[in-house]
Amino acid sequence: KQEVTQIPAALSVPEGENLVLNCSFTDSAIYNLQWFRQDPGKGLTSLLLIQSSQREQTSGRLNASLDKSSGRSTLYIAASQPGDSATYLCAVQNTGGFKTIFGAGTRLFVKA
Amino acid sequence: SQTIHQWPATLVQPVGSPLSLECTVEGTSNPNLYWYRQAAGRGLQLLFYSVGIGQISSEVPQNLSASRPQDRQFILSSKKLLLSDSGFYLCAWRIDRDSEAFFGQGTRLTVV
Repeated sequence: KQEVTQIPAALSVPEGENLVLNCSFTDSAIYNLQWFRQDPGKGLTSLLLIQSSQREQTSGRLNASLDKSSGRSTLYIAASQPGDSATYLCAVQNTGGFKTIFGAGTRLFVKA
Repeated sequence: SQTIHQWPATLVQPVGSPLSLECTVEGTSNPNLYWYRQAAGRGLQLLFYSVGIGQISSEVPQNLSASRPQDRQFILSSKKLLLSDSGFYLCAWRIDRDSEAFFGQGTRLTVV
C-alpha cells in the first residue's frame, strides 16, 4: 500500500531564504509525482509534475526533483517571499490503478 | 483551455438532509474525474473516481455516493447527511492517469 510522507509538517522562514520541502513514498511503481500549493480555504493549484522517467522539473523559483528508486522528492523554493506562504502537498500516481495518493502537506510561513 | 467548476463554495446543511455537489469540466473530453474530502489539518482522502460516463469506483465505504450523468459532469450526493460528513470537498480531473491533475476551488460543507 502506497504511503506518502511529507517533512516537515510546518516551516517558518524569513523572507529571502532558500528552502527545501521533502516528500517520501513507499512504493516506487508510480507514473508521476505532482506538487501542489493550497491556500487556506481554497482548492489545490498544480505547481510541478514530474514523470517517473524524469529527475527534475523547474518553474520559476521552484525546482522539484525525483529519485524514484529511493522513493523521494524534494521541492526547492529559491528566494522565498511572503506570498509563498501556503500548504504544499505532494501526490503520487500509482501505476496499479487510478488512485492518486497525497501526503498530509507542509505548511509554510514566510515572514516579511 | 480547460477549466473546472465546482459549486457551491460553501454549504451548511442540517443532519439528515440530502446533499448534492456538482463539478463540471470544460475544454476536454472523457476526463478521469475525482472527488476528494479534506478534513481539517489532514491530507486528501479519495472518495470516488470515474473513468467514463456511468463508471464510478468507490474508495471508502461511507454515507456518500457519486454519479457521472454526462461526460464532464460529476456529482457527489447523500440521502441523509451525518455530522461526520462535514469537511472540504474537492473535485479534480486529469486527462489520463499519467497526466497532470487539476482541482476545483472546493466546497466547504458544514453539517449541523
